Amino acid sequence: DTGVSQDPRHKITKRGQNVTFRCDPISEHNRLYWYRQTLGQGPEFLTYFQNEAQLEKSRLLSDRFSAERPKGSFSTLEIQRTEQGDSAMYLCASYAWGNEQFFGPGTRLTVL
Amino acid sequence: DQQVKQNSPSLSVQEGRISILNCDYTNSMFDYFLWYKKYPAEGPTFLISISSIKDKNEDGRFTVFLNKSAKHLSLHIVPSQPGDSAVYFCAARANSGYALNFGKGTSLLVTP
Repeated sequence: DTGVSQDPRHKITKRGQNVTFRCDPISEHNRLYWYRQTLGQGPEFLTYFQNEAQLEKSRLLSDRFSAERPKGSFSTLEIQRTEQGDSAMYLCASYAWGNEQFFGPGTRLTVL
Repeated sequence: DQQVKQNSPSLSVQEGRISILNCDYTNSMFDYFLWYKKYPAEGPTFLISISSIKDKNEDGRFTVFLNKSAKHLSLHIVPSQPGDSAVYFCAARANSGYALNFGKGTSLLVTP
């Protein structure tokens, strides 16, 4: 399967803990995006990378959030000191050319 | 500020009939529009798209219409099938490769 993969698919954590998610994009896709989707909403943009460079961050990406793409391949999204409001589906998408972004299955985070 | 709006949270259609999903946008800089389909516990899957220089794009049972003057687009599914039951998201972007702006989605139910 050469699609976008995300790990883990589900994460339950206690408030105040740190969590890290991983995204593996489609091979050779140079752009990688992170989105967040909460109940009843569409995906909301968080940040994106072109190769290893983080080019844009949304105002939704608070200081507790950090994303990396160290070698221009996979990416990680870390949330420090999680809050209940962080509970959401975190989606990763990749893009190379054309117009559509290809999404992974998402990581569902539940903060208790 | 929601730049892409889907004002119908849900739609129910009988199998074999036409499904029409609507989307409005406010940002005149958007130059490309996409429809994604999402099943529960999965990431969004690209369905069909349209450039701002066109007013119609067709792919099998799916047709997207764009009315730039009204800042409105619609997705037509004919004939509707039970397997089309999913949440449909309208998305738009201002430049190639940039982040997508999503609507809140419309949940389509196609009944036998």
